[in-house]
Amino acid sequence: QVQLVESGGGVVQPGGSLRLSCSASGLTVSNSGFHWVRQTPGKGLEWVAFVRNNGNNITYPDFLRGRFTISRDDSKNTVYLQMTNLRADDTAVYFCAKDWGWGFQYWGQGTLVTVSS
Amino acid sequence: QSALTQPRSVSGSPGQSVTISCTGTVTEFGFYNRFTWYQQPPGTAPKLIIYEVTKRPSGVPDRYSGSKSGNTASLTISGLQAEDEADYYCCSSTGNFSWVFGGGTKLAVL
Repeated sequence: QVQLVESGGGVVQPGGSLRLSCSASGLTVSNSGFHWVRQTPGKGLEWVAFVRNNGNNITYPDFLRGRFTISRDDSKNTVYLQMTNLRADDTAVYFCAKDWGWGFQYWGQGTLVTVSS
Repeated sequence: QSALTQPRSVSGSPGQSVTISCTGTVTEFGFYNRFTWYQQPPGTAPKLIIYEVTKRPSGVPDRYSGSKSGNTASLTISGLQAEDEADYYCCSSTGNFSWVFGGGTKLAVL
């Protein structure tokens, strides 16, 4: 049974940084691509990062402008999202999701990030 | 502003069918089969219900069906049930490993 568990969310000041973790069980992260997707009340779902199973293809939407970095630790079976220079409009629930069929097959329960002074 | 446009809300009575549309440009629809749909009941994570335009993952009832014509994809739910009440999102993989979602549609079962 596949389970993805996100952690690391919280309250951070504008300009600050935060690292989110996505711990996987029931699958091996190195065998699959993984995404981070966020959800805000005003904007719905928004894709923010992807790492392919080979680890060599990593992509982000243009609007992030290099502020977020996705990575993977195969020894811990965990995927990360490092977020820097955070802004108020980054406030959202962040989900990790397994890639499959050109979409998102399994999702975690999400972790809330609040950017506020 | 989503590149994929969905109606904000749709509604139907139990037993009826409803169709949710998702309209975009050639950018979102240039890769024919890279289209997915997600169901999100209140307070839960999204769930994949349609992949590659028309296919259903194991466990998804055949009441859910997907289709595409030109630059519009559609999700049809037949035999509406109370449990179908949720938000529904379309998503396209637009090439070069990037993805874009629609704005979401709230389905009310009256």
